[in-house]
Amino acid sequence: AQSVAQPEDQVNVAEGNPLTVKCTYSVSGNPYLFWYVQYPNRGLQFLLKYITGDNLVKGSYGFEAEFNKSQTSFHLKKPSALVSDSALYFCAVRDLTGGGNKLTFGTGTQLKVEL
Amino acid sequence: DGGITQSPKYLFRKEGQNVTLSCEQNLNHDAMYWYRQDPGQGLRLIYYSQIVNDFQKGDIAEGYSVSREKKESFPLTVTSAQKNPTAFYLCASSVVQGSNQPQHFGDGTRLSIL
Repeated sequence: AQSVAQPEDQVNVAEGNPLTVKCTYSVSGNPYLFWYVQYPNRGLQFLLKYITGDNLVKGSYGFEAEFNKSQTSFHLKKPSALVSDSALYFCAVRDLTGGGNKLTFGTGTQLKVEL
Repeated sequence: DGGITQSPKYLFRKEGQNVTLSCEQNLNHDAMYWYRQDPGQGLRLIYYSQIVNDFQKGDIAEGYSVSREKKESFPLTVTSAQKNPTAFYLCASSVVQGSNQPQHFGDGTRLSIL
């Protein structure tokens, strides 16, 4: 079964500092990985995805993610955090069972960016 | 603008009552999904549908039912058999073909027990 793990419930960072939100995955076969962001009482917004190709994926709002096959990781990064980046972040992997385009989500990481 | 509309935003259920959550999309997506979100547990899949008049159970389908009579609509009914319905419910849609396409989400319905 496909799964992702987000080992940190919360990450705190000062504005202007780089941020990293961690994700590790477990899949059989090639992984299809996604990052989403959720603001309070809103749905999830797609940030970026890894399918194949370059290990550094660039996405929306200045976010990027680094795919590392040997460490089975897909960490979300941003060079300079903003207070407005404070939100709940989810890593997800495509679930290949039963066909279609299902996703299996991690438990989420709350990012808090402080002045 | 194309998107997914969920209604109502807030919903209250009495004991023994069935309630229905609406989800409509105008993205021309074939696939639609319902998730339940609880604090600290991420999103869990309730039901999904890849085509009109067909749907499959997800990981936590007990106590829920769905229908898919139109491509644009995928309503979720929370039945009285669901003993712990208080949660944030999210609807999503996507193209079916191609594993590299993201899901698009509505803004959710928050369900509480009276």
